[in-house]
Amino acid sequence: QVQLVESGGGLVKPGGSLRLSCAASGFTFSDYYMSWIRQAPGKGLECVSYISTSGTTIHYADSVKGRFTISRDNAKNSLYLQMNNLRAEDTAVYYCARVGGRWELEHWGQGTLVTVSS
Amino acid sequence: EIVLTQSPGTLSLSPGERATLSCRASQSVSSSYLAWYQHKPGQAPRLLIYGASSRATGIPDRFSGSGSGTDFTLTISRLEPEDFAVYYCQQYGSSPPYTFGQGTKLEIK
Repeated sequence: QVQLVESGGGLVKPGGSLRLSCAASGFTFSDYYMSWIRQAPGKGLECVSYISTSGTTIHYADSVKGRFTISRDNAKNSLYLQMNNLRAEDTAVYYCARVGGRWELEHWGQGTLVTVSS
Repeated sequence: EIVLTQSPGTLSLSPGERATLSCRASQSVSSSYLAWYQHKPGQAPRLLIYGASSRATGIPDRFSGSGSGTDFTLTISRLEPEDFAVYYCQQYGSSPPYTFGQGTKLEIK
């Protein structure tokens, strides 16, 4: 069955960096677009970034553009999110998700918590 | 930017009742790219409906989606105890490509 397992979250000071990983299994990873979605405490869902199968098409939310970098390693069935210059407003649970044929987010991981605080 | 507005913000119902959740878009949305999700605390969100009306794999038939243009509806025909959660609609378009509604909390009355 499809499994997505995020890791790499934690507590970081403002201005710091973190790298999130998402390990995928149970499907042919290289066949699917992938996405990072976040949910800040008490808030709704926000698409942070998505990446095409080969990595040639990438989108970022305006709120993270220039600070976050999405990437993937199809040989390792892994998705990554490098987060630099973190701000308090980046505090959230970060989910990775598999993108379906109609751009629906058809499978999600359990999420990893990122807390940005001094 | 397309804004999705969900109503009501909170819906209080009893098991066995029918739930009707609304998602209204600020501009016309392609039905192909409208989805609904269920989210319970501490769990991964779960895809319920895609393409406005197609049930995702494994989703019970008490869940149904309908609508077009700017008005979409998620209906739960007869509520089970496990259905109480927060529900989000989501559309894929352009600039930004993904937007979510603010959510409807379905709580036990």
